[in-house]
Amino acid sequence: EAGVTQFPSHSVIEKGQTVTLRCDPISGHDNLYWYRRVMGKEIKFLLHFVKESKQDESGMPNNRFLAERTGGTYSTLKVQPAELEDSGVYFCASSPRTRDIQYFGAGTRLSVL
Amino acid sequence: EDQVTQSPEALRLQEGESSSLNCSYTVSGLRGLFWYRQDPGKGPEFLFTLYSAGEEKEKERLKATLTKKESFLHITAPKPEDSATYLCAVLPGGGNKLTFGTGTQLKVEL
Repeated sequence: EAGVTQFPSHSVIEKGQTVTLRCDPISGHDNLYWYRRVMGKEIKFLLHFVKESKQDESGMPNNRFLAERTGGTYSTLKVQPAELEDSGVYFCASSPRTRDIQYFGAGTRLSVL
Repeated sequence: EDQVTQSPEALRLQEGESSSLNCSYTVSGLRGLFWYRQDPGKGPEFLFTLYSAGEEKEKERLKATLTKKESFLHITAPKPEDSATYLCAVLPGGGNKLTFGTGTQLKVEL
């Protein structure tokens, strides 16, 4: 069974540009989560989808971040325009509807210069 | 606000030298406490879930225990392949977002 896959693995962009991160959850997992780790800090929650609906987006830093989940399958996280403080590793996780365990992808390392 | 504190930040052991990692937490109604292992360049890999005080889980050289305020990850006779960052996270009752600690970076040397 394929795990959670994220693309790209690394992205380097200039301040002011736009970047889109993609996450493919484990097949059949209704819950999809985005987390972020900035340098030296702990992994922090960004938002949670149940199928295509946003359940909790309390961790989104500001309105430069937009997350979508098309048809309840893959998800994208767009940052527009990117700022220096957006640099970090963005993780996606998924879980089945009736279980608490969240399975993580390898992450996308975003560097904003 | 939920909080997780892990100690030590870093730990260096000789192969075979057993030790414990600590995870102290405050959470509004604990639904579950999770231990993950993270290798460089990879995402967190699930190890254990603990749900109630007194519960213990074991996997190979690792054993996780839980009290009402903290969890321990005991490593018995570690090997170099156990070197990784170990992350602790809590899930509150009625919520779905994990709150993580900053992790313990473990290095096991020959």
